[in-house]
Amino acid sequence: GAGVSQSPSNKVTEKGKDVELRCDPISGHTALYWYRQSLGQGLEFLIYFQGNSAPDKSGLPSDRFSAERTGGSVSTLTIQRTQQEDSAVYLCASSSWGLAAREQYFGPGTRLTVT
Amino acid sequence: GESVGLHLPTLSVQEGDNSIINCAYSNSASDYFIWYKQESGKGPQFIIDIRSNMDKRQGQRVTVLLNKTVKHLSLQIAATQPGDSAVYFCAETANTGNQFYFGTGTSLTVIP
Repeated sequence: GAGVSQSPSNKVTEKGKDVELRCDPISGHTALYWYRQSLGQGLEFLIYFQGNSAPDKSGLPSDRFSAERTGGSVSTLTIQRTQQEDSAVYLCASSSWGLAAREQYFGPGTRLTVT
Repeated sequence: GESVGLHLPTLSVQEGDNSIINCAYSNSASDYFIWYKQESGKGPQFIIDIRSNMDKRQGQRVTVLLNKTVKHLSLQIAATQPGDSAVYFCAETANTGNQFYFGTGTSLTVIP
């Protein structure tokens, strides 16, 4: 079956503009994670969705970042008033049972460049 | 806060040799650890995991060792192949939270 998909694969935007990044998790996966990966760095946790529970937003770096997950499936990460330091690869991952399963399947990421 | 770091940022090995990638973690409450492989332009791919009640786990050509006393994790790759060239990340999580903490990564280059 299809894996996790993300769109767009690349996004170049001007400083101050808003961007939306999309994640389509594996069908049936109830848990969805967003991470940020800066060049040469590890993955920085941003937000976690599990079923219908309130998301864990503790990793969002500022109130310019927000995420939604509609119908327990597709998720959108929105960055408002983008800054150059937002440039990074944004990765989405899904898993079948959240922490119980622990294994996360990652998408290919969206490379965001803020000019 | 927690930190997960690696001893070596880069590692070059000869094809056919064994590779060892190390990882240090600081959160003694972490009870689950994962190794991921990330090839250029792709998302991380699960390799192997280990729970804190184990000190060794083997997969196909890979072995993960966990030393809770010194908070150290290692990934051993046997008979390293050119296809193993990638960045390898360790990640940790505690049962009490949703977050996984990832290390910076080690870039493994296999020399044919």
